Amino acid sequence: EDQVTQSPEALRLQEGESSSLNCSYTVSGLRGLFWYRQDPGKGPEFLFTLYSAGEEKEKERLKATLTKKESFLHITAPKPEDSATYLCAVQARTGFQKLVFGTGTRLLVSP
Amino acid sequence: EPEVTQTPSHQVTQMGQEVILRCVPISNHLYFYWYRQILGQKVEFLVSFYNNEISEKSEIFDDQFSVERPDGSNFTLKIRSTKLEDSAMYFCASTGQGYTEAFFGQGTRLTVV
Repeated sequence: EDQVTQSPEALRLQEGESSSLNCSYTVSGLRGLFWYRQDPGKGPEFLFTLYSAGEEKEKERLKATLTKKESFLHITAPKPEDSATYLCAVQARTGFQKLVFGTGTRLLVSP
Repeated sequence: EPEVTQTPSHQVTQMGQEVILRCVPISNHLYFYWYRQILGQKVEFLVSFYNNEISEKSEIFDDQFSVERPDGSNFTLKIRSTKLEDSAMYFCASTGQGYTEAFFGQGTRLTVV
């Protein structure tokens, strides 16, 4: 069974204090690993797709990396508006594109 | 920017009643999904739909659930006889041809009382 574990569950940072979120996964053949941002009461907002080990993607203060067992979301010099829950999901090569999500990391950035 | 639209944003229903949740996926997308998120829990896959038929469904998606694309734009999720444990946020998502990232709507909060 495909599984995604995210850590930490919650993270509190001061504005400008860089950190990383972890996503460990087991999947029967990875098609893609996805990062989403979710604000309270809203739907997941797509951030990145990573397809193979060694791949990196960047967007503003966020950088996602991928190994064969885990992915990291690095947040550089975060701002209060980066406060959200960050979700990791995997998609297996078998199956019809369903996403298997982790429970997410709740990030709070204080000014 | 194209987006997935869901209605209503919040629905309250009596246990045992039927509900229909509605979604308008991004217009040129071909793959459609329903996910749900019980408060404080992870987002869970319910069903995927392609070429007017269910392509995959989870164990959650039992005989009480059904999906339909009644016309060229809407995609619906019906729950025939709601239970208390059906209370959750329901998200519709869609994917375009050749892409793997799914775009989600803002969700319908279903409360069963």
